[in-house]
Amino acid sequence: ELKVEQNPLFLSMQEGKNYTIYCNYSTTSDRLYWYRQDPGKSLESLFVLLSNGAVKQEGRLMASLDTKARLSTLHITAAVHDLSATYFCAVGRGGYQKVTFGTGTKLQVIP
Amino acid sequence: NAGVTQTPKFQVLKTGQSMTLQCAQDMNHEYMSWYRQDPGMGLRLIHYSVGAGITDQGEVPNGYNVSRSTTEDFPLRLLSAAPSQTSVYFCASSLGAGVDSPLHFGNGTRLTVT
Repeated sequence: ELKVEQNPLFLSMQEGKNYTIYCNYSTTSDRLYWYRQDPGKSLESLFVLLSNGAVKQEGRLMASLDTKARLSTLHITAAVHDLSATYFCAVGRGGYQKVTFGTGTKLQVIP
Repeated sequence: NAGVTQTPKFQVLKTGQSMTLQCAQDMNHEYMSWYRQDPGMGLRLIHYSVGAGITDQGEVPNGYNVSRSTTEDFPLRLLSAAPSQTSVYFCASSLGAGVDSPLHFGNGTRLTVT
């Protein structure tokens, strides 16, 4: 059974600071996703990572993937209040895209 | 471009009642799926479909039925609602064939079973 664990579950940080969210998964995967969810809203795709060593960046967010360690990270640079949201990693296996989600990391950026 | 459309947005049911949550996408996506989201548990896969006429069970399928008669529509049926099915339900779709295709989510249906 594929398990996906994120840490921390809650993160309160000041504006301007850097921090990293970690995503560990238990078995070999085809691909790793990061999503953002604002309170009461739907999920928005941030990144899709497909191969070992993959790195993608969008604004203040950068995601990386280490398939050997079964670890993905989401790095936040110089956080701003608008980044406050819940971030989910998700892992896909198999050709039919069965996707398993982590429990999410709730990020609060304090002005 | 509407993307993934879910109806209704909110629903209250009494225990034992049945209902159908609707999901439609206009992106010609092969793959569609239903998730439920509960506090502290992330999203859990209920059922998924890789194309019209093909469905399969996910992680938590009990109490739910699905069918996929067209590419566009993927309704989720609650057979006999229970309080444990109180949750937020999300429908998602993706291209399916390409491994780099993310899931596109609808806006969700918030269901309360009393």
